[in-house]
Amino acid sequence: AQSVTQLGSHVSVSEGALVLLRCNYSSSVPPYLFWYVQYPNQGLQLLLKYTSAATLVKGINGFEAEFKKSETSFHLTKPSAHMSDAAEYFCAVSDLQGAQKLVFGQGTRLTINP
Amino acid sequence: GAGVSQSPRYKVAKRGQDVALRCDPISGHVSLFWYQQALGQGPEFLTYFQNEAQLDKSGLPSDRFFAERPEGSVSTLKIQRTQQEDSAVYLCASSLEWLAQTGGELFFGEGSRLTVL
Repeated sequence: AQSVTQLGSHVSVSEGALVLLRCNYSSSVPPYLFWYVQYPNQGLQLLLKYTSAATLVKGINGFEAEFKKSETSFHLTKPSAHMSDAAEYFCAVSDLQGAQKLVFGQGTRLTINP
Repeated sequence: GAGVSQSPRYKVAKRGQDVALRCDPISGHVSLFWYQQALGQGPEFLTYFQNEAQLDKSGLPSDRFFAERPEGSVSTLKIQRTQQEDSAVYLCASSLEWLAQTGGELFFGEGSRLTVL
């Protein structure tokens, strides 16, 4: 079975500050890991993904995430927060082979303070 | 349309009523997924179609939930005899092919928010 835990349901940072959203996973097979973002009144959209290539993955809008197998983590970072980054962020895991589904974490709401 | 379209966007139902939620996936996408998102939670998998075949319905919470995709394009999620615990946002997502071929990218609709009174 696969699962995802996102530490912190709410994160608040100042504009220009570092953004760090934490995600830890559990998987009995090599995982594929994803970050999706949901802006208000919009559907979820893919931010970035790890599919067993480079462990440091770059996504849209300046976000990146690093896969650390030893820590079973896939934390999302951005060096400098922008007001437009305010959204809900979801980490997800899948094996892409068996069950055709992504297993999502509970989400982290990111607030940016001016 | 260019994206995944869901209707209605908002539905209020009295307990015991039947509801039907529609999903129009991106044209040409063979994989279609339904997820349920309760307030303050992440999306939880309900069911999956490959074209018209429902290959996985392991996430449907009860036999009151039924999904179909008869022609391999538009899908309908039906909930019979709605209960208050069914209140949630129902998300539809589509993918061009099997997840392994697309690298796991799903394209989501904006969701249908169901409130059961």
